[in-house]
Amino acid sequence: SQQGEEDPQALSIQEGENATMNCSYKTSINNLQWYRQNSGRGLVHLILIRSNEREKHSGRLRVTLDTSKKSSSLLITASRAADTASYFCATSGSGNTGKLIFGQGTTLQVKP
Amino acid sequence: SAVISQKPSRDICQRGTSLTIQCQVDSQVTMMFWYRQQPGQSLTLIATANQGSEATYESGFVIDKFPISRPNLTFSTLTVSNMSPEDSSIYLCSVDDSSYEQYFGPGTRLTVT
Repeated sequence: SQQGEEDPQALSIQEGENATMNCSYKTSINNLQWYRQNSGRGLVHLILIRSNEREKHSGRLRVTLDTSKKSSSLLITASRAADTASYFCATSGSGNTGKLIFGQGTTLQVKP
Repeated sequence: SAVISQKPSRDICQRGTSLTIQCQVDSQVTMMFWYRQQPGQSLTLIATANQGSEATYESGFVIDKFPISRPNLTFSTLTVSNMSPEDSSIYLCSVDDSSYEQYFGPGTRLTVT
């Protein structure tokens, strides 16, 4: 069963604007990871944030985690047409089994 | 990060046949994972494959339908057996690294006619 819920399901913005995607989950987690998928290809790992972390940055990406609300957000700043893709959050529960539960994903379109 | 390759990248198969998908990693890893992504959907974990033991399947997936081999620490196969059109999906393998980041192969796009 899917644990994660992502919103919005679809997002369309102009190049240069910021894009924010949200992910909610239901149970305790060890970490949360964000991925990008272009046109049904393989997943590209973007960033991992641990349960004891609140914010992480990587280039134009900023991820926040609020374990009290069981939610995370991915912010892409100064978006580019090449950022057009589907974005997924995935949670790993306690026990470090490595099993990931994916959210439903957000489809981002960046218009040039 | 690990580099993962999968073969084939895509295939079109007839119902009732089987397809074996290969996953190769460029480093030794303890656990490998197989996921399915149905058209327009998110990813669902099929099973966890540890070297030297039977794969552990998630609810809704059974060994007879998705037999998995894990002969060594860098390789695994997933077979999709007795295929039907509902098996048309992208199948992806993945591995963890020491910091729990999980990396995915490029996927195998399967179409069953």
